[in-house]
Amino acid sequence: DSGVTQTPKHLITATGQRVTLRCSPRSGDLSVYWYQQSLDQGLQFLIQYYNGEERAKGNILERFSAQQFPDLHSELNLSSLELGDSALYFCASSVGQALGYTFGSGTRLTVV
Amino acid sequence: QQQVKQSPQSLIVQKGGIPIINCAYENTAFDYFPWYQQFPGKGPALLIAIRPDVSEKKEGRFTISFNKSAKQFSLHIMDSQPGDSATYFCAASGGSQGNLIFGKGTKLSVKP
Repeated sequence: DSGVTQTPKHLITATGQRVTLRCSPRSGDLSVYWYQQSLDQGLQFLIQYYNGEERAKGNILERFSAQQFPDLHSELNLSSLELGDSALYFCASSVGQALGYTFGSGTRLTVV
Repeated sequence: QQQVKQSPQSLIVQKGGIPIINCAYENTAFDYFPWYQQFPGKGPALLIAIRPDVSEKKEGRFTISFNKSAKQFSLHIMDSQPGDSATYFCAASGGSQGNLIFGKGTKLSVKP
């Protein structure tokens, strides 16, 4: 157990739907990062939050949004889902900026 | 400037062999270079990391070699074992790039 908890582990949903992925960071970690992993694109950075504030944005689609709550857990919202959004979504956390990420076990999203 | 290029895409070695995975970067502001190991169904786990002020770092059977002038770094696995079979990712961060940028991964298979 890495200390980073992601739920749910698996999600199957239909095109056009909206889902929410949840991440609880490791105790004491203030930064949360979201990554998308697909077979051909590797680990793509989506967005980072630090202590409740958005810090950096990567290749995140406008249909996707995220937030970090006062208790430091984070949610990634994916809407108007398309088949191509099927992927593994990982959350990682760290104490500060970038160093020593700890990843969760991921949420496997399948859009049918 | 933001890319980290990793090779090879896949690698097969015999038990006891020394697989070498290479990465190259362009952004000279990068100052943190970790390697992550990922087993199927799991999130990536930090294996070893290096900063550009040293040319080599060893942790157990894993060694990072770093060539600052060439902007390249590599992972060597000494006396490889079947249990090392996994996907390995290099990454980099630094400067204005606070989050980690990952290479596309190398799938390593160690044959008994």
